[in-house]
Amino acid sequence: DGGITQSPKYLFRKEGQNVTLSCEQNLNHDAMYWYRQDPGQGLRLIYYSQIVNDFQKGDIAEGYSVSREKKESFPLTVTSAQKNPTAFYLCASSGMATGGTQYFGPGTRLLVL
Amino acid sequence: KNEVEQSPQNLTAQEGEFITINCSYSVGISALHWLQQHPGGGIVSLFMLSSGKKKHGRLIATINIQEKHSSLHITASHPRDSAVYICAPLLNYGGSQGNLIFGKGTKLSVKP
Repeated sequence: DGGITQSPKYLFRKEGQNVTLSCEQNLNHDAMYWYRQDPGQGLRLIYYSQIVNDFQKGDIAEGYSVSREKKESFPLTVTSAQKNPTAFYLCASSGMATGGTQYFGPGTRLLVL
Repeated sequence: KNEVEQSPQNLTAQEGEFITINCSYSVGISALHWLQQHPGGGIVSLFMLSSGKKKHGRLIATINIQEKHSSLHITASHPRDSAVYICAPLLNYGGSQGNLIFGKGTKLSVKP
C-alpha cells in the first residue's frame, strides 16, 4: 500500500534533549513538508524539501533541523533550542502527479517531560 | 491579520442538516484545498479546486478566485461527518509558490 508513515505516534522529550521524528513515503513524491499544529491555530510550515539533498526553511524553522538524503525520507529533529516543542507534528508529500495536492501522514504528538 | 479566515470556528448541527463552512483569503493563490482532520489527528484532502465547483458524494466545494472566497457544503449531514475542516490555499507567488497556508479550522459536530 502506498502512503506516508510517521513514527512514533507519541514522543516524549526531556529538557535539553534532541529528538528526531521520522517521516517516510513510498508514493515517489519529490516534495515533502513538515508542519506544526498547536491548539486553536492553523498548521504552520517548519521546513520543506522539493528535491533530494535540498530543503528550505518555512515560517517557524528556528529550533528545528531536517535532512533529505533519500527521496523517501524526510526526518525532522527538534533540537534543545526549540523552547516550546509540545505540539502535533504532521509530515506531508506531493508530486507532479498529484497536481499540488499534499498527502498527509498520521502525525506525531511530541510532549515535554 | 490572518491571511486565511474561516467561519464559523465551531458548528453544531443536527443529523440531516445542510452545512456551510466559509473561507476567505487575502493572498494570491493558484488553487485551494479543503482538508478534513479527524479526532485522532490524521488529515485527508477532500478537494483541491481552482475554479467553479466540485462535488464528491455529499460534499460540495465552490470557489470564486476574484472574490477570494471558498465554501464547503455538506448535504444531509451525518454524525460521521464530525471533524475539523481546514481551508488551505496554495500560494502562487515568490519563493513560497506551491506552499500551502492554513485556516484555523472549523470544528463540526453533528448530533444524531
